[in-house]
Order: sequence, then C-alpha cells, then structure tokens
Amino acid sequence: EIVLTQSPGTLSLSPGESATLSCRASQSVSSTYLAWYQQKPGQAPRLLIYGASSRATGIPDRFGGSGSGTDFTLTISRLEPEDFAVYYCQQYGGSPPQYTFGQGTKLEIK
Amino acid sequence: QVQLVQSGAEVKKPGASVKISCKASGYTFTTYLIHWVRQAPGQGLEWMGIINPSDGTARYAQKLKGRVTMTRDTSTNTAYIELSSLRSEDTAIYYCAREGPQQFRFDPWGQGVPVTVSS
Repeated sequence: EIVLTQSPGTLSLSPGESATLSCRASQSVSSTYLAWYQQKPGQAPRLLIYGASSRATGIPDRFGGSGSGTDFTLTISRLEPEDFAVYYCQQYGGSPPQYTFGQGTKLEIK
Repeated sequence: QVQLVQSGAEVKKPGASVKISCKASGYTFTTYLIHWVRQAPGQGLEWMGIINPSDGTARYAQKLKGRVTMTRDTSTNTAYIELSSLRSEDTAIYYCAREGPQQFRFDPWGQGVPVTVSS
C-alpha cells in the first residue's frame, strides 16, 4: 500500500498570505492519480485538484497543484477566510491498486 | 445537478449490522463508479471500497473484507453499503462519492451518515 504523508500537520497563517502544503508518497505515484480535497467542519470533502495540477470545476485560480513522483504540493495564494480548512491528498496506485489518503493538513487562522 | 443523497444517522449496538444508502441523481447512474469512505471522529479519511453500478462488481479494502458488502439497485439509482459485526472502532461518518471512468478521484461526495456504535 502506498502511504501518503502530509506536512505540516497544522499551518497557521493570516488572510492574504500564501500557503504551501506538502504530500509525500512512500512510492512513486502517477500524477494522473493524485488529487487534493478541502474539508470544512461538518461538511463532506470537496475536490480541489486532480491529475496533480488541474483545478476542479468552480475552484478559484488561487489554488494550484504541482509535483511528480513522490512529492506533490498544494499552493494557495492570497488566503481568504473561507480557505481555512483541512486539506487531504489522495492517490490511486500500488500493488494491488488501492485508493489512499494522506492524514490531512489543518490550515488555521493565525 | 449531480447529487448523492445519503440516508440518515444510525445508532447500533456492538455486533449488529448497519446498511446505509446513497441515492444518485443528475447523471446516468451506471456510467460512474461509487466509492465508500469513512471518517472516524477527529480523524482522516479511510477508503472502504468501490462498486461498479453497471454490473454490481465490488472491491473492498483488505481491512474490511468479510464484514463489508456493497450493492446497488439500478431501478432506484441507489448504492448501498452494509457493515456487519460492528465494533466501537466503526463509529464514524460514512460517505459515498462518485468516480468517473478512469478518473481516479472522488467528485462529488454525499453529505455523510454518522454511525455510532455503542452499547
């Protein structure tokens, strides 16, 4: 099973600043199979990024994804109050192929 | 619009079973896969398995094999998950989510169903 490790566990920033969230895989992951989600308290997760760098429908261009192999990054520029949430990365792969999630990064207001 | 609407909250005793539904609308049910993901209180997301509504074939996370069954009813565009031999560690919110052909991502998600296992 491919293990995804997200860092930092918690990120404290102020509105207007930029956030960089990391997702590291225990084995190489195809970029096609790497996605990011946002989850706010009491809500279901929402797809933000798929294919490592493509924004889902309706996601503002403040959100960007990058990376390849074992290292992937979610970048959020010009943080808005509604961006403070928990972010998860997710991959499909391994042998046998499985879907796995990282443990999440909590983005909180400083 | 595309929607997945799940059934209501459940409270079960240890050893019992629970069956949760996920009703799809706004798209052709048999064209997209349905996943089940759960989230224990204060914890992250755990993938439980996947069902293909077109033919009913399902694949389960190794950890849950033997206790989980995923089914679907194409006449009502509804997917189901049943978890048996419940224990306290199964207390979680259970989500269904859609995956398009060869998309390997979950979008959208149902609203989630809280399941509490307590004596």
